[in-house]
Amino acid sequence: EDKVVQSPLSLVVHEGDTVTLNCSYEVTNFRSLLWYKQEKKAPTFLFMLTSSGIEKKSGRLSSILDKKELFSILNITATQTGDSAVYLCAVHSGGSNYKLTFGKGTLLTVNP
Amino acid sequence: GAVVSQHPSWVICKSGTSVKIECRSLDFQATTMFWYRQFPKQSLMLMATSNEGSKATYEQGVEKDKFLINHASLTLSTLTVTSAHPEDSSFYICSVKFEHFYEQYFGPGTRLTVT
Repeated sequence: EDKVVQSPLSLVVHEGDTVTLNCSYEVTNFRSLLWYKQEKKAPTFLFMLTSSGIEKKSGRLSSILDKKELFSILNITATQTGDSAVYLCAVHSGGSNYKLTFGKGTLLTVNP
Repeated sequence: GAVVSQHPSWVICKSGTSVKIECRSLDFQATTMFWYRQFPKQSLMLMATSNEGSKATYEQGVEKDKFLINHASLTLSTLTVTSAHPEDSSFYICSVKFEHFYEQYFGPGTRLTVT
């Protein structure tokens, strides 16, 4: 059974701090790893990673994948209160139905 | 702008009634649509995968006779919760996948409360 584990489960920081969120996975036939941000409603797409060692960056957020060690990290620099959310990691493990397996998420709280 | 819409955004119904939730892909035709359920402080749990014109594939433990999925067109899928019970109260989210892309785009979700 495919498994995605995120850590920490929750994190409280102050504005301006840098945070690193972790995602490890055990899946058969790995295709891609995706990061989503979920505030009060449905998740919004952040990144999709398919290749090891290539950093994806968007503003203060960046992410990288290590396919040898089976994990990914999501970095957020100079955090703002608007970054407070649950960050979800999901893995697409191939197959014809393209389904994603989600981790439990990391709840990030950024205090002013 | 939004890629996926869901309707209604929230619904309260009485135990024993049925509720239909619509998921629409707004700008593009979606080859596959997914239905998820999320309980408070839990992650998304995939309920079923549906492809236009064919029967939905349900995940283990999801009752297909209770959660009816109809994927009538490339832009519309519906989830009907039949004979709803309070334990069906949850956040139901759909997502769509477009051809040649792996990422899924999520709708805004529907919060169902069964009294």
